[in-house]
Amino acid sequence: DAKTTQPPSMDCAEGRAANLPCNHSTISGNEYVYWYRQIHSQGPQYIIHGLKNNETNEMASLIITEDRKSSTLILPHATLRDTAVYYCIVKISGTYKYIFGTGTRLKVLA
Amino acid sequence: EAGVAQSPRYKIIEKRQSVAFWCNPISGHATLYWYQQILGQGPKLLIQFQNNGVVDDSQLPKDRFSAERLKGVDSTLKIQPAKLEDSAVYLCASSFFRSRELFFGEGSRLTVL
Repeated sequence: DAKTTQPPSMDCAEGRAANLPCNHSTISGNEYVYWYRQIHSQGPQYIIHGLKNNETNEMASLIITEDRKSSTLILPHATLRDTAVYYCIVKISGTYKYIFGTGTRLKVLA
Repeated sequence: EAGVAQSPRYKIIEKRQSVAFWCNPISGHATLYWYQQILGQGPKLLIQFQNNGVVDDSQLPKDRFSAERLKGVDSTLKIQPAKLEDSAVYLCASSFFRSRELFFGEGSRLTVL
């Protein structure tokens, strides 16, 4: 199974961009990178996913390096409501199996 | 669109007792997952169903945990007998077949005393 490594915690000032890194050096060529977040006392919520191209949606942007060994989730204008644990996940190729790590606890400061 | 429904939201039991959690996925979602989340950790996959068949239960402690998904819709996760280390939030998630997005319920918090 491809493993991911994330910093345990990060702070970000409200209104600034939050850049959350993830290393996935053992990722296979056809494995997708997913990001979910979990706000306190709620279930995880899907944010974005990508294979090798950069992706953007209404919530965030995902930048994947050319060698695909790492990625960065960008929240362009962080708000207090973005305070959550962010999980970077590599979906096991050929399955619908998602293995969560311990994630990054992002705290957005007023 | 209604989300994934789980019940009960909270349950407190004593060790060696039994407990059951119920999950109703989003209508039309063929894939259903049960995750266990211990405080401070990420969710750990327990079992995955595709319709009413088990796809993966390699992490399910089968001596005490059981799960079923009759008729390919609702699912029940049972623990019997419970241990102290089973204290956790049990999350149910569903996805449309071939969809890449998981939809999670709010979870059922179990405390074993």
